Amino acid sequence: EVKLLESGGGLVQPGGSLRLSCGGSGFTFRYYAMGWVRQAPGKGLDWVSAITNDGATSYYGASVKGRFTISRDNSENTLTLHMASLRVEDTAMYYCAAGVGATRSDAFDIWGQGTLVTVSS
Amino acid sequence: QAVLTQAPSVSAAAGQKVSISCSGSSSNIGNHFVSWYQQLPGTAPKLLIYDNKKRPSGIPNRFSGSKSGTSATLDITGLQSGDEADYYCGAWDSSLSAGVFGGGTKVTVL
Repeated sequence: EVKLLESGGGLVQPGGSLRLSCGGSGFTFRYYAMGWVRQAPGKGLDWVSAITNDGATSYYGASVKGRFTISRDNSENTLTLHMASLRVEDTAMYYCAAGVGATRSDAFDIWGQGTLVTVSS
Repeated sequence: QAVLTQAPSVSAAAGQKVSISCSGSSSNIGNHFVSWYQQLPGTAPKLLIYDNKKRPSGIPNRFSGSKSGTSATLDITGLQSGDEADYYCGAWDSSLSAGVFGGGTKVTVL
């Protein structure tokens, strides 16, 4: 079964940091670009970040650039998102997703169930 | 404010056809592929269409996509109650060097 499983969400204070992880199984993880998409409560989808299959190139949405860092470990089939300087507006469900190709992060074919991040004092 | 523009809601009777539009610019839809997602309440998004009109395996041909210039359309024919969901368009934006989504369209089956 093809699966992505996120972990690491929780409650954090404004200005704090958090690390999200995503484990892939049932497909050849190293063949696909990977990314993170978030959704604030009651709102639409927000593209956060993506990384190519080999980890050589990463991309960030304007609202997180300079604060979030994406990385991957193909030997462990794991994707990570380091989030720093968190703001209240970063509160959202964070989804891990696999792109439709090695360098393709414009469309995501496989999605996890999400991990909830709440930024509040 | 979403980069891609979608109508907030559309509705149609069961068995009918509904069309959802997505409008962008030359930096996204005009020069890049469009994808479409379905999000049922309380679940993760699901890819319906990629590369403007391709369907992943398992997606019924009731769902079809098209693109013209800086706009794209998702058509759903033979509307069913199970199609009630939020639908999002997405694309790459070369000006932002990032992906972008539309604000979402809620489909209601009358």
